[in-house]
Amino acid sequence: QQPVQSPQAVILREGEDAVINCSSSKALYSVHWYRQKHGEAPVFLMILLKGGEQKGHDKISASFNEKKQQSSLYLTASQLSYSGTYFCGTGDNYGQNFVFGPGTRLSVLP
Amino acid sequence: EAGVAQSPRYKIIEKRQSVAFWCNPISGHATLYWYQQILGQGPKLLIQFQNNGVVDDSQLPKDRFSAERLKGVDSTLKIQPAKLEDSAVYLCASSLSQIGNTIYFGEGSWLTVV
Repeated sequence: QQPVQSPQAVILREGEDAVINCSSSKALYSVHWYRQKHGEAPVFLMILLKGGEQKGHDKISASFNEKKQQSSLYLTASQLSYSGTYFCGTGDNYGQNFVFGPGTRLSVLP
Repeated sequence: EAGVAQSPRYKIIEKRQSVAFWCNPISGHATLYWYQQILGQGPKLLIQFQNNGVVDDSQLPKDRFSAERLKGVDSTLKIQPAKLEDSAVYLCASSLSQIGNTIYFGEGSWLTVV
């Protein structure tokens, strides 16, 4: 079952912050976050495993709340290069049923 | 380290024709995925292999799509006969194993059915 992402799209000015949410109706073992630029393959950002951890690098971080079956991606002080479509992917503990959300389109303007 | 290789990058065919896509995953990656991505949508899993066995093909339209990974390394995805709605990017991806590992994507094979 496909996870739900919100918002569908967001427009920011350079330097502003954004939060993208991903939620599922089923129990999750892992949440993956990817960014895809137009005409390119999705690129891995980070993976969070069951345990409610928070991960991050540079100014992009994410949290995973397994009780609420949701994850959030935080983009701080956004840069022009952050523009693209962000997908979350969720999987179960058998390594199966891995599905991507519909994506959140992020546009960062100068 | 070489990434996931796919070919051809672009293909235009007429409906009812057949097409095949090839994928060579990252060396040592046991899990291989084929995804279909229609413009404006998220990737949809078509089939997942673990070595040369099929783990999940529940969303593969088996009346026209087939995939194999005979020696547990590279893989081919075939569509026969193609329909207009098959126009999409076909993404091959691989990971070390099924559970909790990064999935690396190839650049994709763009299919247009006219």
